[in-house]
Amino acid sequence: DAGVTQSPTHLIKTRGQHVTLRCSPISGHKSVSWYQQVLGQGPQFIFQYYEKEERGRGNFPDRFSARQFPNYSSELNVNALLLGDSALYLCASSLITGGPGYTFGSGTRLTVV
Amino acid sequence: GQQLNQSPQSMFIQEGEDVSMNCTSSSIFNTWLWYKQEPGEGPVLLIALYKAGELTSNGRLTAQFGITRKDSFLNISASIPSDVGIYFCAGQLDDKIIFGKGTRLHILP
Repeated sequence: DAGVTQSPTHLIKTRGQHVTLRCSPISGHKSVSWYQQVLGQGPQFIFQYYEKEERGRGNFPDRFSARQFPNYSSELNVNALLLGDSALYLCASSLITGGPGYTFGSGTRLTVV
Repeated sequence: GQQLNQSPQSMFIQEGEDVSMNCTSSSIFNTWLWYKQEPGEGPVLLIALYKAGELTSNGRLTAQFGITRKDSFLNISASIPSDVGIYFCAGQLDDKIIFGKGTRLHILP
């Protein structure tokens, strides 16, 4: 079975641009979460979606948005990119919400120049 | 907001030695989690702890959920080269997982 897949794996953007990151959860998983991992730090929670509804939001500016589609895949959008947005963006999926069984993808490495 | 203090930041050990790392929090969590992350990969769940005082093993790994629900430790016995990586403690509140900053484990030849 395929794990959590994220695309693209690497991305370079210029300050002020917009970026869309994509995530396909494990088949059957209805919950998707997004995390930002800056170099040398642990992942930080950005969003959680369950059954296409936002269930949680971390302390990130409104430039960050996300959505979940009917097939449970998800997109993370970041507008007006800043240098500080450079990070590994991780997607995690789970069968249910609130359980510990989150499986992480390998992430998208975003570099903002 | 919730913060996790994980120590040590890094460890250099000889193969075969035991390893111990811990995590403390300013907040109470209902679930404590330990993850391992290797280069180019996302974190992989090693152990999940659900009750205060719980001691759980997964092969050579043992973790405990502190009585106060504000701390946890992870022990690795008889380390081997494939144990190299970054170990994260994490506390879970509902749908949000709060991660520590990680302990980077190096194994000397």
